[in-house]
Amino acid sequence: GAVVSQHPSRVICKSGTSVKIECRSLDFQATTMFWYRQFPKQSLMLMATSNEGSKATYEQGVEKDKFLINHASLTLSTLTVTSAHPEDSSFYICSARDVRWGLETQYFGPGTRLLVL
Amino acid sequence: KQEVTQIPAALSVPEGENLVLNCSFTDSAIYNLQWFRQDPGKGLTSLLLIQSSQREQTSGRLNASLDKSSGRSTLYIAASQPGDSATYLCAATGANSKLTFGKGITLSVRP
Repeated sequence: GAVVSQHPSRVICKSGTSVKIECRSLDFQATTMFWYRQFPKQSLMLMATSNEGSKATYEQGVEKDKFLINHASLTLSTLTVTSAHPEDSSFYICSARDVRWGLETQYFGPGTRLLVL
Repeated sequence: KQEVTQIPAALSVPEGENLVLNCSFTDSAIYNLQWFRQDPGKGLTSLLLIQSSQREQTSGRLNASLDKSSGRSTLYIAASQPGDSATYLCAATGANSKLTFGKGITLSVRP
């Protein structure tokens, strides 16, 4: 299957700082990527849809000014958690939408664990 | 709004047992349904994907079925092994390619 990478895999930061997470599709172009958040023992919750060349679409309850998404190229989307607080500590996972071969599949990155002190 | 339910939340079985994990969804207008495996502290590993036009998919000891009309999918694991211990998530793909995940079933296979 296709490969999606995330960087960094783990990050620890102080409260009030901003953290940028990168999501890359390594062997295909993705006009659409998705960002999810997973709290301990909970399922993945979709935060936003990242669209190449246009603004991201946020799910209800997700603050767009806090979670900045930039999809500047067909292989890269970034999520910036601005002014992070301890309650933002979570596991962030991205996925990239692959529409090659006439079938739609999403490939997931390995996730980024964020700990805000 | 799509809701995906996986019951029970946890399951413990002895090694060698065949088992079925259940997944139900409320909106049958899905594009596909996927089963994932997640090990503790790790990302997702895609196991099987069933397109809406398909009834089942098989990979090794795994078989997933899909019944859109009843809003159900099952993941069958044959001859379970301790290495199968993990959390199994199902997710339904709906409009705009959005996935809705269940909370997962944490499986423990005892040696």
